[in-house]
Amino acid sequence: AQTVTQSQPEMSVQEAETVTLSCTYDTSESDYYLFWYKQPPSRQMILVIRQEAYKQQNATENRFSVNFQKAAKSFSLKISDSQLGDAAMYFCAYRSATGGYNKLIFGAGTRLAVHP
Amino acid sequence: DTAVSQTPKYLVTQMGNDKSIKCEQNLGHDTMYWYKQDSKKFLKIMFSYNNKELIINETVPNRFSPKSPDKAHLNLHINSLELGDSAVYFCASSHEVSRGLDTEAFFGQGTRLTVV
Repeated sequence: AQTVTQSQPEMSVQEAETVTLSCTYDTSESDYYLFWYKQPPSRQMILVIRQEAYKQQNATENRFSVNFQKAAKSFSLKISDSQLGDAAMYFCAYRSATGGYNKLIFGAGTRLAVHP
Repeated sequence: DTAVSQTPKYLVTQMGNDKSIKCEQNLGHDTMYWYKQDSKKFLKIMFSYNNKELIINETVPNRFSPKSPDKAHLNLHINSLELGDSAVYFCASSHEVSRGLDTEAFFGQGTRLTVV
């Protein structure tokens, strides 16, 4: 069974600085998808960024980028120029590409605080 | 236009009662899910439906019964509510995993259930 591990329960960053959130996963599959979701205090789950395992290039979305290391099964999220609105819980998630109807498996989350 | 909407947002009820949470998606997705987020923010899959057919049923007490009248709707009925059922319940939907289609899940705003 696949598992996702986020080893940092809490992180903090100064506004305008850069922070990296860690995620590792365990799978025997070669084809899968990885995601970072943000959950602000409003509770809404918001997709931040997506990475396909078959793509070697790291995904980027504006200030958000990932460092995807397939061999190491590592998928970290880098937030550049941090803003107060980035303060939230961040969840790493895995979805198998085999079978079609697969669920997302989530890590335990990292709470990010942004200080002015 | 809300993509995945669930009602109610908040539900406070007494132990032993029966309650339902409704979910609707207008994204044309084939697959819908119920996730439970506990007090430590951990997100765990409960059920998944594809085209009205139950495909994932994790270890959930049989007091929880999902129902999908059509592929755009997935409701969750809970009988004989217990204190331990207090949590946030998220509905989500996604496409089947297929190259060329978005693979992420879209989430409703969550229902905070409090059993007293």
